[in-house]
Amino acid sequence: SQTIHQWPATLVQPVGSPLSLECTVEGTSNPNLYWYRQAAGRGLQLLFYSVGIGQISSEVPQNLSASRPQDRQFILSSKKLLLSDSGFYLCAWRRPGSENTEAFFGQGTRLTVV
Amino acid sequence: AQSVTQLGSHVSVSEGALVLLRCNYSSSVPPYLFWYVQYPNQGLQLLLKYTSAATLVKGINGFEAEFKKSETSFHLTKPSAHMSDAAEYFCAVNSNSGYALNFGKGTSLLVTP
Repeated sequence: SQTIHQWPATLVQPVGSPLSLECTVEGTSNPNLYWYRQAAGRGLQLLFYSVGIGQISSEVPQNLSASRPQDRQFILSSKKLLLSDSGFYLCAWRRPGSENTEAFFGQGTRLTVV
Repeated sequence: AQSVTQLGSHVSVSEGALVLLRCNYSSSVPPYLFWYVQYPNQGLQLLLKYTSAATLVKGINGFEAEFKKSETSFHLTKPSAHMSDAAEYFCAVNSNSGYALNFGKGTSLLVTP
């Protein structure tokens, strides 16, 4: 069966510090991978998605970047965090090639920038 | 662009009462629609999905949703609320590109004894 791992679960970082959140998927190959951010009252905002190694699509221009160094690894990064980067970050995956498949989510990372 | 609108950011029902969470979609092509549930500080779990096979879709935990093209709606219902149903519920639709899901802002369901 497929599993998705996301870490850390919580993170408190000072303004201006770097960020690296990691997500890995097991039990499937060539998944579509996603980073979403959830802010209170604003639902889920798609930040990045990737359909293959090294392929990153950015949905919202911002202080963050994403990378996919391996087929089942997706990393969210920032060189200098802003207060507005605080939120709940969710990684997800979908089977490729079919628009009617659901997304499977990790447990999320609660990021607080202080 | 494909989008969904969830009416009511907060819904409160009594235990045993009908649950109705509203979702309307906007789509230029036949949509694929999803309902997810999120418990505090957790990821999202799929409740059910509409993929054009049947307009009435049954999901987990006794939830179901009906796709109504004429009303561009995909409302989520459950005949009898349970305390454990208290959570955040999200409606989603396939994006224009087909690669991602676009989510609504969510509805927080409160179940009172």
